[in-house]
Amino acid sequence: QVQLEESGPGLVKPSETLSLSCTVSGGSISNYYWSWIRQPPGKGLEWIGYIYQSGSTNYNPSLRSRVTLSLDTSKNQFSLKLTSVTAADTAVYFCASLPAGYWGRGTLVTVSS
Amino acid sequence: QTVVTQEPSLTVSPGGTVTLTCASSTGAVTTSSYPNWFQQKPGQAPRALIYSTSNKHSWTPARFSGSLLGGKAALTLSGVQPEDEAEYYCLLYFARGQLAVFGGGTKLTVL
Repeated sequence: QVQLEESGPGLVKPSETLSLSCTVSGGSISNYYWSWIRQPPGKGLEWIGYIYQSGSTNYNPSLRSRVTLSLDTSKNQFSLKLTSVTAADTAVYFCASLPAGYWGRGTLVTVSS
Repeated sequence: QTVVTQEPSLTVSPGGTVTLTCASSTGAVTTSSYPNWFQQKPGQAPRALIYSTSNKHSWTPARFSGSLLGGKAALTLSGVQPEDEAEYYCLLYFARGQLAVFGGGTKLTVL
């Protein structure tokens, strides 16, 4: 069974860069599409983007200028970087493999000084 | 901007049947949108139920089914159980998979 686990700082200052990693176990990162999704407190899900095994990426147009996804096959990890964060980026961030259906538990990132 | 619309809330009785729908602002939803459905309970990560319109994951209960209905993606729960009370989200893909958009979610109450 494939399992995903997010890791990274839970608190980021405004204007700084949010960096998260997702470690994949029980399967190879060389398969599937790997996605990041976020959910602001009390709100719905927002797709951030995905990266394919080849390294090709697609991003939410509303975030494209600030987002970078990357793969590290040696660590079986993929990562999210979101620059110039504001309070509006406060959310639970999930990594997932879609359409395979595997999700991490999510990690809350708060943007605050 | 592409918008995906779901019913904000629905109520169903235990043992009953309910259909949730997912509409696209760009027109009829087709299999090319690869509709996905997810269930989320409070404090938990979403759980995938359906992918590519009607395909179930190995863990998806048999009472959940996906389809296309009247130009929308649909999720039908037959023989609803109390534990099905949750928020349900659909996900549609656009531009040959280069863009994905979640619906706003449907809060399903079992009463």
